Parts: sequence; C-alpha cells; structure tokens
Amino acid sequence: DAGITQSPRHKVTETGTPVTLRCHQTENHRYMYWYRQDPGHGLRLIHYSYGVKDTDKGEVSDGYSVSRSKTEDFLLTLESATSSQTSVYFCAISDRDRARATQYFGPGTRLTVL
Amino acid sequence: AQKVTQAQTEISVVEKEDVTLDCVYETRDTTYYLFWYKQPPSGELVFLIRRNSFDEQNEISGRYSWNFQKSTSSFNFTITASQVVDSAVYFCALSEASNNAGNMLTFGGGTRLMVKP
Repeated sequence: DAGITQSPRHKVTETGTPVTLRCHQTENHRYMYWYRQDPGHGLRLIHYSYGVKDTDKGEVSDGYSVSRSKTEDFLLTLESATSSQTSVYFCAISDRDRARATQYFGPGTRLTVL
Repeated sequence: AQKVTQAQTEISVVEKEDVTLDCVYETRDTTYYLFWYKQPPSGELVFLIRRNSFDEQNEISGRYSWNFQKSTSSFNFTITASQVVDSAVYFCALSEASNNAGNMLTFGGGTRLMVKP
C-alpha cells in the first residue's frame, strides 16, 4: 500500500471557521491531489500539485486553497467553512503526470460543517 | 467533456452469484485510460485495474474480470462467484491524455454492491 496518511481523520467544525486538512506521503511522489466525495457524485478533483509550490485548480476549487512547501505534504484549507463543504476528503498521489498514471488514495477525512 | 456513468446505484446478490457492474464513458480523446476502484465499508479506496484505450483485451484476475468495448464505450466489471467480502462501493473512472488538469480522474457515481450470505 502507498504510504499516505491524512489528518485529521474526522473533524466537526462550525460555519465560518477555517479548517486545514493535511496529506502526508512517504513515497516521494511528485503529484498530489485533493478530491471530495459526495453521494451520487463519486469523487471530484478540488486542487492538485505537480511539485513543491506548484499547484493548480481542479473541477470544484471554489472555497478551497492549497499549499505544498515540501514534497511529502499537501495541505487543503477551507478559509471559511460552509455547510456545503461537508464531505469526505481524499488525498491521492501519483508518480507521473501522464493520464496512464495510477492514483493511490489516502484513507480520507470526514469533515462535518455545522 | 469527459463523463462516466454508472447507472446501477445499488446491486444486491446472494453469495456465489455472478454480478456485472456497468460503466459507460464519454470522451473525445483517442487516448484515454479507464480505472476501477473499490471502496469497502472501511472507507479507503483500493485500486483494482487500469486499461488504456488501445488495449481492448479483456482481463481476468482471479474472480474479477473486465470487459472493455470501445464500440459501446463501456468498461464493465464482473465478479464471479461473489463473496460477502466483495460488498463495497465500486467506482469506474476515466483519465484523458489531453486533459490539462494534471491527469484528473473523472469518476462515475459508484455502484454499491451488497453480497448477502
């Protein structure tokens, strides 16, 4: 199994508060991704990173920001959490940027915004 | 734009039955990749298989088999002699070679498979 951890694994917060989720990998992979999973939608890409300090937006990036200061860590921040951001968040990694690259996923973080 | 449809939201079978999970995709690319992931009740996502658009050979891995048909834009997944441990949500996903968003995976909505003893 790919060495990917996410923290926290569960979080309950209130509307309007900032929240930061962390993804940590031990595989030294260059590419990292944040997805959210919602019923009926599968997983949707929020942001991704193609190297240290190199990030770009995905399909559902509004309300989210990311940072990557080290190869092993990719942070997802909700500046002011809203109830629509209640979801399960998954981090993924891959070792190449080609479409054929397999993405391996972390265990997920369940976030509830009250 | 790319799209993946898993029309079966839930399937329930009895152990030892065969079951097929359907996946239909849409893409304008000639080069693309298809994936299946399994999400057991514990919640993690487990990679099962990757196929590229130039390889239409069916694949078998133990009780699992995959049928890729470009003519119908389908990549179906069959579990033979299902077991209770196969109970999970299964996701089909698509990655396009021309997609600029860092090989973004487009997921279907998932099929929940329940295997009853």
